[in-house]
Amino acid sequence: DTGVSQNPRHKITKRGQNVTFRCDPISEHNRLYWYRQTLGQGPEFLTYFQNEAQLEKSRLLSDRFSAERPKGSFSTLEIQRTEQGDSAMYLCASSLSVTGRTEAFFGQGTRLTVV
Amino acid sequence: GEDVEQSLFLSVREGDSSVINCTYTDSSSTYLYWYKQEPGAGLQLLTYIFSNMDMKQDQRLTVLLNKKDKHLSLRIADTQTGDSAIYFCAEINEGASKIIFGSGTRLSIRP
Repeated sequence: DTGVSQNPRHKITKRGQNVTFRCDPISEHNRLYWYRQTLGQGPEFLTYFQNEAQLEKSRLLSDRFSAERPKGSFSTLEIQRTEQGDSAMYLCASSLSVTGRTEAFFGQGTRLTVV
Repeated sequence: GEDVEQSLFLSVREGDSSVINCTYTDSSSTYLYWYKQEPGAGLQLLTYIFSNMDMKQDQRLTVLLNKKDKHLSLRIADTQTGDSAIYFCAEINEGASKIIFGSGTRLSIRP
């Protein structure tokens, strides 16, 4: 296992289209996070899963955004009816949540450009 | 709510030490992290410190934590051109769900 993998690395889409991103976490990690990063900013939390349960969603995650982790392994983030303001880097991270170990490891991100 | 703040820019001469500072507001922070991000890339976990520690050293990296002042620093000894990147300070509360990031400090190296 070489780390957190995200696909695609880049996505250009027209405004109004739907897009879906995939994240494959480190295999034994039970927590999975989605973050969004815009230019010049730090990553902003979107949502997180513990196994297959989505336990928290940020108010940044409008009803156009939906995330799933159906079997507690990989996750998908879908954005419906994309807007230009959705252009950003979408980062996925995973961690193993046990006492004393909560390092989160990030993937390379998916850069979304909405034109 | 929780907040993490960092200065935006730092410029150092190659071979000197770099010190990147961070302040945070959550007194219940359990872990504090330093991540490195190179252009167009994801975040690389550099090091972390548990809140009951004052200092952690890992090769050229030294992390200092002043829990009373809620101040965290990252010292990079013998700074090299490959250290040019944005460095993010981040914190998590063990009972919380998310890692909170600062806005990042852009480190540039001059010859």
